[in-house]
Parts: sequence; C-alpha cells; structure tokens
Amino acid sequence: AQSVTQPDIHITVSEGASLELRCNYSYGATPYLFWYVQSPGQGLQLLLKYFSGDTLVQGIKGFEAEFKRSQSSFNLRKPSVHWSDAAEYFCAVGAGGYQKVTFGTGTKLQVIP
Amino acid sequence: DAGVIQSPRHEVTEMGQEVTLRCKPISGHNSLFWYRQTMMRGLELLIYFNNNVPIDDSGMPEDRFSAKMPNASFSTLKIQPSEPRDSAVYFCASSGGTGSVGANVLTFGAGSRLTVL
Repeated sequence: AQSVTQPDIHITVSEGASLELRCNYSYGATPYLFWYVQSPGQGLQLLLKYFSGDTLVQGIKGFEAEFKRSQSSFNLRKPSVHWSDAAEYFCAVGAGGYQKVTFGTGTKLQVIP
Repeated sequence: DAGVIQSPRHEVTEMGQEVTLRCKPISGHNSLFWYRQTMMRGLELLIYFNNNVPIDDSGMPEDRFSAKMPNASFSTLKIQPSEPRDSAVYFCASSGGTGSVGANVLTFGAGSRLTVL
C-alpha cells in the first residue's frame, strides 16, 4: 500500500528566507506525486505534480519540487518565502489511473516578518 | 467552471440527528472522492467513486456513514445517527481528464464543517 510521510508538523521561516518541506513516500512502482496547499478555511489547491520526465518540477506561486527515487523523496522548495505563503502543505502519492490518492499529515508553515 | 461545490459550508447539529452533505463535482470529471479532515487524524479518504460506482469504501468509519452518487453531477454523504466524534471538515474532490495524470489530479471543494453537539 502506498504511504506518505511528512516529518515536519510545523515550520517557521522568516519572510524572504528559503524554504524546504520534506516528503517521503512508499510505493512499489513509479509514483505519481503531488503537493497541495491549504489556506485556513479553504480546500486544498494543487501546487505541482510529478509523473515522469524531468525530476525537477515547477509549480504555481514560485514553488518547485525534486523527485529523488533513490531517497524516495519529493521535497518542496521555494527560494524566497512571502508572508502569503503561510498555510498548510500536503504531499500526496497516487498510483495513476483511477486509483486513490494518499495524503501525508501535512506541514503547517508560519512566516514571520 | 465553478469548481467543486459543497453544501452546506457549515452545519451544527445535535447528537443523534441525521446529517446530509452534498457535492457537485466539476462537469466532465468522472471520479469523486470524499475526505474527512480532523486535527487528530489529518486527511482521511472515506470513499471514492468512478463513473458513479463506489470503488473503495474501506475508509468509511462505520455503518452510520453512507455515500451515494446517483448521477455524474451529484453525490451525498450521510451520517445517521450523528455523534460528537463525527465533528470534522468534510471535503469532496473530483478528478478526470485524459490519461492517468489527469485522473489523479484532484480538485477540492471548500469543505463542509460539521459540528455535532
């Protein structure tokens, strides 16, 4: 069964600083990987996805993520964080096709001035 | 497109009452998912449908929970009778499009916040 681990429950960064959110997955084949963001009181919004090809994928709002098969990781990065990035971030893994998508427990990002 | 539409956005009810949550997926999407989000358990998949047929309901916590999708544009999640531990935000999401990646990309509704007193 597929699973996702986000080891950091809560992260605080200063505005303008760089950000990296960690995600490790478990899946037997090539996974479909996603990052979603959830602002307070809102549903989840897709930031980016990986399914094949270039292991560095670009997303919306200046985010990127790198797929590393050897480490079973799909970490999310942003070079300079803005106060509006404060939200909860979820990593997810899917099996492709019409299969379910499994979410991690989320990382809550706080941005301080 | 208006996106995935959920109603009600907020529901406060008393223990023992029936609760019905509704979802209208994005037109053309053929998969629909119900998730529950709580502080303690995070985001849990309750059930999902493909072409209106339930595929996996292993996440439904108890027989008090039931879900239906009578047509491609409407789904309900019902809790009867409701209990305080059912208090959570319930999300509906839909997916579709051509190819596997499209099928795995979820679009979420804004959620229904349920409080059972």
